[in-house]
Amino acid sequence: ETGVTQSPTHLIKTRGQQVTLRCSSQSGHNTVSWYQQALGQGPQFIFQYYREEENGRGNFPPRFSGLQFPNYSSELNVNALELDDSALYLCASRTGGKDTEAFFGQGTRLTVV
Amino acid sequence: KQEVTQIPAALSVPEGENLVLNCSFTDSAIYNLQWFRQDPGKGLTSLLLIQSSQREQTSGRLNASLDKSSGRSTLYIAASQPGDSATYLCAVRPGTNAGKSTFGDGTTLTVKP
Repeated sequence: ETGVTQSPTHLIKTRGQQVTLRCSSQSGHNTVSWYQQALGQGPQFIFQYYREEENGRGNFPPRFSGLQFPNYSSELNVNALELDDSALYLCASRTGGKDTEAFFGQGTRLTVV
Repeated sequence: KQEVTQIPAALSVPEGENLVLNCSFTDSAIYNLQWFRQDPGKGLTSLLLIQSSQREQTSGRLNASLDKSSGRSTLYIAASQPGDSATYLCAVRPGTNAGKSTFGDGTTLTVKP
């Protein structure tokens, strides 16, 4: 167990809807990153939050947005869901140093129908 | 743009065999490289983290090496067991953007009893 927990574990949504995924980071970790993993591929970086500010973003449209709270937990919001958004969404937490180890949660499996 | 390649995509070996998984990356300006294990439909479990200044790291039956100048890392698994069956992913954290880790697509290992 890494101490990083994500909820829910599975979710089914209809195209066009909005979804919020949640991540509770490991104790003492102030940096959270979100990744999207399609079947058979490696995770793709969505964005990162450090002390409640977004400080890095991958090649994802603005309908992917996030928040980090004072306790360093985080949310990923996706608006106007598309079928291609179906994937495993992973969050990772670490301390703020550039060379620190990342610990991942178990992921949220999102299916868009 | 950093690209990470893992070869082979799949590997099947008999129990007890020693094996090597390969990871190559195109940009040698990295902070660190991390190896992960992923069981089907699950999150990522960190195996080993190698800082850019290090050459190798060991944990139990696992040994990871890093040759930054040639853009290569290997994960050596000694005396493989059926429980080692999983997908193994490598990820590099670049020096220019500490938030964005780039992953390979993984090597799926099957260890036959």
